[in-house]
Amino acid sequence: KNEVEQSPQNLTAQEGEFITINCSYSVGISALHWLQQHPGGGIVSLFMLSSGKKKHGRLIATINIQEKHSSLHITASHPRDSAVYICAFGGSNYKLTFGKGTLLTVNP
Amino acid sequence: EAQVTQNPRYLITVTGKKLTVTCSQNMNHEYMSWYRQDPGLGLRQIYYSMNVEVTDKGDVPEGYKVSRKEKRNFPLILESPSPNQTSLYFCASSLSNRGARSTEAFFGQGTRLTVV
Repeated sequence: KNEVEQSPQNLTAQEGEFITINCSYSVGISALHWLQQHPGGGIVSLFMLSSGKKKHGRLIATINIQEKHSSLHITASHPRDSAVYICAFGGSNYKLTFGKGTLLTVNP
Repeated sequence: EAQVTQNPRYLITVTGKKLTVTCSQNMNHEYMSWYRQDPGLGLRQIYYSMNVEVTDKGDVPEGYKVSRKEKRNFPLILESPSPNQTSLYFCASSLSNRGARSTEAFFGQGTRLTVV
C-alpha cells in the first residue's frame, strides 16, 4: 500500500474552473510538499507546509494534520496550469516519499 | 540566480560503462538528494546527503553510488549501468529536510538516461 495517495490521477477542466487535487498519507509527517512538473520539464516546488494554509497567487494549499490530508486548489484555472502535480511528505528522518502525481489538463 | 544544475541533460550509454551525473547547487544548502522517475512508479529516492561527507540510502540505492566531498556538489555514479537504470533522474537540494526544520526543495532540470 502506498504511503501517499493522490486523487484524482487525471483531471480535465475548462479554463476558469476551480480545481482541487487531494493528497492523503498514512504516517505521521513533519512537512508536506506540493510540486509541479510540466511535460518534458523540470520539477518546481509550489508549497512546503506543516500546518494550516498557504496561498501564492491563484494557488492555495491546505493541510489537516489530524486527518492526514492535504489539498491543492487552483482558482481561475488557465491552460498554462496544465502539468503534473505531485505531493510528497517528509517525516522525522531525511527522506521524501512521493505520490504518483495528478495529471491536470486545462482546456481553453 | 538560485539553482540546481545537473549535467548532462541527456545521455545514452552502453551496459557496463561507468558514468557520472553531476549535480551542483549555489544556495549553500545542507541537504541534497537524488531521485529517479519512472512511468507508473513516480519519483523514488536513490540516495541523500545531510551534509558534507554524510550520505545515506534512499528507497532504491542498488547500482548507484554517491559522494559529498563539497557542500555544493553531489554526483551520482553508476559503476556498471544496466538497462533497468534507464530513467529520468533528478537532483534536489534544500536548506534542511528534517522534521520541523524542513524547507522548500529546489530541483535540477533532470537527466534522461538510456542504457542500451
